[in-house]
Amino acid sequence: DVKVTQSSRYLVKRTGEKVFLECVQDMDHENMFWYRQDPGLGLRLIYFSYDVKMKEKGDIPEGYSVSREKKERFSLILESASTNQTSMYLCASSMTGGSFYNEQFFGPGTRLTVL
Amino acid sequence: AQRVTQPEKLLSVFKGAPVELKCNYSYSGSPELFWYVQYSRQRLQLLLRHISRESIKGFTADLNKGETSFHLKKPFAQEEDSAMYYCALGNSGYALNFGKGTSLLVTP
Repeated sequence: DVKVTQSSRYLVKRTGEKVFLECVQDMDHENMFWYRQDPGLGLRLIYFSYDVKMKEKGDIPEGYSVSREKKERFSLILESASTNQTSMYLCASSMTGGSFYNEQFFGPGTRLTVL
Repeated sequence: AQRVTQPEKLLSVFKGAPVELKCNYSYSGSPELFWYVQYSRQRLQLLLRHISRESIKGFTADLNKGETSFHLKKPFAQEEDSAMYYCALGNSGYALNFGKGTSLLVTP
């Protein structure tokens, strides 16, 4: 069974703190993604990675960075959290090629509140 | 530029009524289109993809390249269909471009 896990379901941080969101997949997928999900705005891509140590900016990378040191783990970093980064963060993974090309498998999400 | 448009934020139908969730896209190449669904308190999951041409939970979606649409349809809505639905567009790359979503509410 496909599994994408995220380190926290709920997180509360203060403005200016450095925040780490962790995502792990056990499907040996090449590609991993970070989205934020906001009501009325849908899912917006922050960053994605198609291989270890590789990363690409998505639509809204400002204020975020990522790290992918191992194939199964993709971390999202908020260098200095701000209140407008309060959101639901979704991690996803996908494989390249094969019959499931482009299908993304999602984690349960981390609801981050920045005070 | 790639774009996915879901014109309805909220769609409310009665149980047993037909339902159609609209999705229009703009893409110059050969698109791959998906519908994802998120039930209350569950993770986002794939409902169907256009290349598989299958019916999942009674839902179907046909790619209309002339109208650049990929509308999701079900002839008889059920209460358990109430959820958030996202249309998504893939290309030859890795990322998907999601629409803003339509919240479907099926009332008894």
